[in-house]
Amino acid sequence: EPEVTQTPSHQVTQMGQEVILRCVPISNHLYFYWYRQILGQKVEFLVSFYNNEISEKSEIFDDQFSVERPDGSNFTLKIRSTKLEDSAMYFCASTQEPGTNQPQHFGDGTRLSIL
Amino acid sequence: GDSVTQMEGPVTLSEEAFLTINCTYTATGYPSLFWYVQYPGEGLQLLLKATKADDKGSNKGFEATYRKETTSFHLEKGSVQVSDSAVYFCALRKQTGANNLFFGTGTRLTVIP
Repeated sequence: EPEVTQTPSHQVTQMGQEVILRCVPISNHLYFYWYRQILGQKVEFLVSFYNNEISEKSEIFDDQFSVERPDGSNFTLKIRSTKLEDSAMYFCASTQEPGTNQPQHFGDGTRLSIL
Repeated sequence: GDSVTQMEGPVTLSEEAFLTINCTYTATGYPSLFWYVQYPGEGLQLLLKATKADDKGSNKGFEATYRKETTSFHLEKGSVQVSDSAVYFCALRKQTGANNLFFGTGTRLTVIP
């Protein structure tokens, strides 16, 4: 079965540094998402992306964050200047098309640790 | 705003015990409701879903019924196995507007032989 793949599985970065988290959505999917889960808290929506632009974003997704689809397969989340509170598990998801009946397929996540 | 409240864990059960994980939601209209499962070291996998009131989602022996009157979507399984040990997340997607999911905090289930 096709999978969403995320790299790296664990990223350790010094505070203030830039990080890029990478995702390869399922090949025929068109709608992409980033979520994060701070340890012990809820999984929170960050941003959705469709047709090469942001569709929705949450309050968490401020100017420090950006997303990009640099080629036909990758979908990246960049955090420009990391803060301690950015430490979390980041999940990428994709769906074939938007709609309430389309399940979102998730990757295994990237654990981001900010020191 | 839209939200999901999920039974806090962790939950520890013996093999073949009955499982209930409670989930209630706050949303306008008729959201779609989901249960996702995360096995150790893996990502979130869709376990089951229901998209309208009184629908029952089922998969792998798990069931959940969409109850509009109590705004609930409790997860149940009649006889758990060790392989069911995982973290279970309840989630909703709004009826209209944005397609993102709103998740509960997750409930860790450990099944002991």
